[in-house]
Amino acid sequence: QKEVEQNSGPLSVPEGAIASLNCTYSDRGSQSFFWYRQYSGKSPELIMSIYSNGDKEDGRFTAQLNKASQYVSLLIRDSQPSDSATYLCAVNGATDKLIFGTGTRLQVFP
Amino acid sequence: KAGVTQTPRYLIKTRGQQVTLSCSPISGHRSVSWYQQTPGQGLQFLFEYFSETQRNKGNFPGRFSGRQFSNSRSEMNVSTLELGDSALYLCASSSVAEETQYFGPGTRLLVL
Repeated sequence: QKEVEQNSGPLSVPEGAIASLNCTYSDRGSQSFFWYRQYSGKSPELIMSIYSNGDKEDGRFTAQLNKASQYVSLLIRDSQPSDSATYLCAVNGATDKLIFGTGTRLQVFP
Repeated sequence: KAGVTQTPRYLIKTRGQQVTLSCSPISGHRSVSWYQQTPGQGLQFLFEYFSETQRNKGNFPGRFSGRQFSNSRSEMNVSTLELGDSALYLCASSSVAEETQYFGPGTRLLVL
């Protein structure tokens, strides 16, 4: 089992829809969770961080964390073509190393 | 505040050669982490340096090494290059106050 798992996609959604990206992790001791966005040919950029169970909203983005079920998700409301990118889930576990999933490719079509 | 910078941005080397990559963190950040990104494996952690000391290490062979200087700038060295070392090498810096890592633009290495 991989430490951080994501569906590779592509996840295709129409413009204006809600995109839902999911991530599961194996280390129950994980405390910090991050979502990064990576455009093709560019480096990852931080979208959200979340540390406690529940929802955290920032503009069109909402991160959801459920430590009991060991999953973290990212919702993108009113998806735009400019949101088309690969979304990386990262988890900082007991080893204090940031472990990344392989990413989910999101395609938003007009 | 200037972001993380990496040099060079692109490199072409041949098998058996060695390469040194450089990373300058955001001003005030003392932690620098290095990652290798390939299409098949995704982002894989190489090592982390904090105050000139290696604080954490990933599962890479000893050909991959690094160091950090007193001004927090870091270098990564790969010796005896193999074809499989072709990848995007990313460094990220973070501050003591927060865990968030900020990435540089990366160095794209091609080994022929």
